[in-house]
Amino acid sequence: RKEVEQDPGPFNVPEGATVAFNCTYSNSASQSFFWYRQDCRKEPKLLMSVYSSGNEDGRFTAQLNRASQYISLLIRDSKLSDSATYLCVVNGDNNDMRFGAGTRLTVKP
Amino acid sequence: ETGVTQSPTHLIKTRGQQVTLRCSSQSGHNTVSWYQQALGQGPQFIFQYYREEENGRGNFPPRFSGLQFPNYSSELNVNALELDDSALYLCASSLKASDSPLHFGNGTRLTVT
Repeated sequence: RKEVEQDPGPFNVPEGATVAFNCTYSNSASQSFFWYRQDCRKEPKLLMSVYSSGNEDGRFTAQLNRASQYISLLIRDSKLSDSATYLCVVNGDNNDMRFGAGTRLTVKP
Repeated sequence: ETGVTQSPTHLIKTRGQQVTLRCSSQSGHNTVSWYQQALGQGPQFIFQYYREEENGRGNFPPRFSGLQFPNYSSELNVNALELDDSALYLCASSLKASDSPLHFGNGTRLTVT
């Protein structure tokens, strides 16, 4: 089993749609959780941290379920510029961050 | 605020050669981590440096080595290059705290032929 698992997609949605990505992680001791976005052939960029109580940043909402070891990202009112790969990130126990393989999103006009 | 910068942007090497990649950390950050990202995969942790010492290492062979300098900049060295070393190499700086997010440079794309 991979340490961080994501549905690879691709998710193809129209502008204005709501889309949700899920991520599961295997290390129950993990304490830090993030979502990154990565554009084609570019570096990953921090989208948002994920807090225990859930958090929102504009059109983006992140949720954490520690009992199920599950993280989600909800994007409302999708824009063309949201097209990217979304990476789920969880801290490891070796001063490292562990990345999922990413979920690819394409928003179409 | 100066972000993370990496050099070179692209590099082509031959199998068996050695390569050095460089990274300058974001101002205010004292920790540097290196990741390897193969096509279609998420970044894989190589190692982390803090206070000029290796502070964690992933599942990479000893021919992957690094340095951190007093100004927090860093180098990644790879000896005896193999074809499978072809990847995007990402440097990330952060604060030491374990919950501190990573801030990536734009990466070095290495091709080994």
